[in-house]
Amino acid sequence: NAGVTQTPKFQVLKTGQSMTLQCAQDMNHNSMYWYRQDPGMGLRLIYYSASEGTTDKGEVPNGYNVSRLNKREFSLRLESAAPSQTSVYFCASSEQARAPLNYGYTFGSGTRLTVV
Amino acid sequence: DAKTTQPPSMDCAEGRAANLPCNHSTISGNEYVYWYRQIHSQGPQYIIHGLKNNETNEMASLIITEDRKSSTLILPHATLRDTAVYYCIGRSGGSNYKLTFGKGTLLTVNP
Repeated sequence: NAGVTQTPKFQVLKTGQSMTLQCAQDMNHNSMYWYRQDPGMGLRLIYYSASEGTTDKGEVPNGYNVSRLNKREFSLRLESAAPSQTSVYFCASSEQARAPLNYGYTFGSGTRLTVV
Repeated sequence: DAKTTQPPSMDCAEGRAANLPCNHSTISGNEYVYWYRQIHSQGPQYIIHGLKNNETNEMASLIITEDRKSSTLILPHATLRDTAVYYCIGRSGGSNYKLTFGKGTLLTVNP
């Protein structure tokens, strides 16, 4: 089925370790996004890529880096994980960033990350 | 983008219509109203969006008041699987990335 695929689904890290969260979409979407969701809170935008070759910071970029590897893939890297980065991470994509031609975002199923 | 206000929770009986309100009194002329929902532990799912006119698709209907200061998402025949957090989001036509999620409304559909 077409959609957004995130790997891994679960991960436990020790403080200071690094890891990369992978995201791929097969809908030929131009724009991709990384959000985090903490318990009882809404989603907060970390980084986004309006089109291949571009990336920009969202609301909460500190401690993260991203790479738009190609049109399909958008990865999120934690260089030195901290307990405050324990969260559920969602990747999303859309045809393009600008409304109204954006008929909606398609989200992945999330990566549940715990930093101990 | 407009600030939106939603009740934190609502209940609905299975088979009945669920009407979820959203206030967006600061919405500007080019801002669209989007609705998403998030079923427990899953990624958010797009439902519907609109600007001025009422909209309907296979999932729901969106009723926007004439002054555009509020809207209602209608699930015509709620099922247990519609239990989720529903987010109402205002987004400008020129916005190039921002989809800001608030805390939404937890809709519980009861048997």
